[in-house]
Amino acid sequence: AQSVAQPEDQVNVAEGNPLTVKCTYSVSGNPYLFWYVQYPNRGLQFLLKYITGDNLVKGSYGFEAEFNKSQTSFHLKKPSALVSDSALYFCAVRDITTGGFKTIFGAGTRLFVKA
Amino acid sequence: GAVVSQHPSRVICKSGTSVKIECRSLDFQATTMFWYRQFPKQSLMLMATSNEGSKATYEQGVEKDKFLINHASLTLSTLTVTSAHPEDSSFYICSARDSTSGGWTGELFFGEGSRLTVL
Repeated sequence: AQSVAQPEDQVNVAEGNPLTVKCTYSVSGNPYLFWYVQYPNRGLQFLLKYITGDNLVKGSYGFEAEFNKSQTSFHLKKPSALVSDSALYFCAVRDITTGGFKTIFGAGTRLFVKA
Repeated sequence: GAVVSQHPSRVICKSGTSVKIECRSLDFQATTMFWYRQFPKQSLMLMATSNEGSKATYEQGVEKDKFLINHASLTLSTLTVTSAHPEDSSFYICSARDSTSGGWTGELFFGEGSRLTVL
């Protein structure tokens, strides 16, 4: 079965420091991986995706993610965190086993960036 | 970028009444939309897949007679919570797949969510 796991409920980082939000995946076939961000009482916003190609994917707001096939990971990173990055982050995988339209979301990781 | 409008953002209703939530894709066609429910501090739970011009596909455990979904056009899907009860209080979010052109790679565009409170 397709799945993603976010092992950390919460990540705390100081403003200006690099941040990493972890995600591991389990899929059959080639993975279609995504990161979304959710601010309080809002919908989700698409940050970036990995379909194929370069393992380092760049996205919105200075975020990037590194696809690592051997470790089945897709960690979200940013070189220098901002207080405004504080939000809930979801890793997701496209479920290709059910016709390809469903998306499976991880449990979410809450990022706190302290000034 | 693609914009999805969801309305209302907040709604309070009395127990036993019905509430309709709209999800519109503003600048793209969406033959497929998705409805989620999100509990506090939890992930999104997929309720159903809304297909333009056909019946919605509900996830296991979701009552189709209680959560009515209509997707009558390429840009509009509606979720109606019928005979609402306090346990239906939740944050409901819709998302849409851009089907304007081929080659969809999986990204979704989300509405801003609707917070339903049933008294």
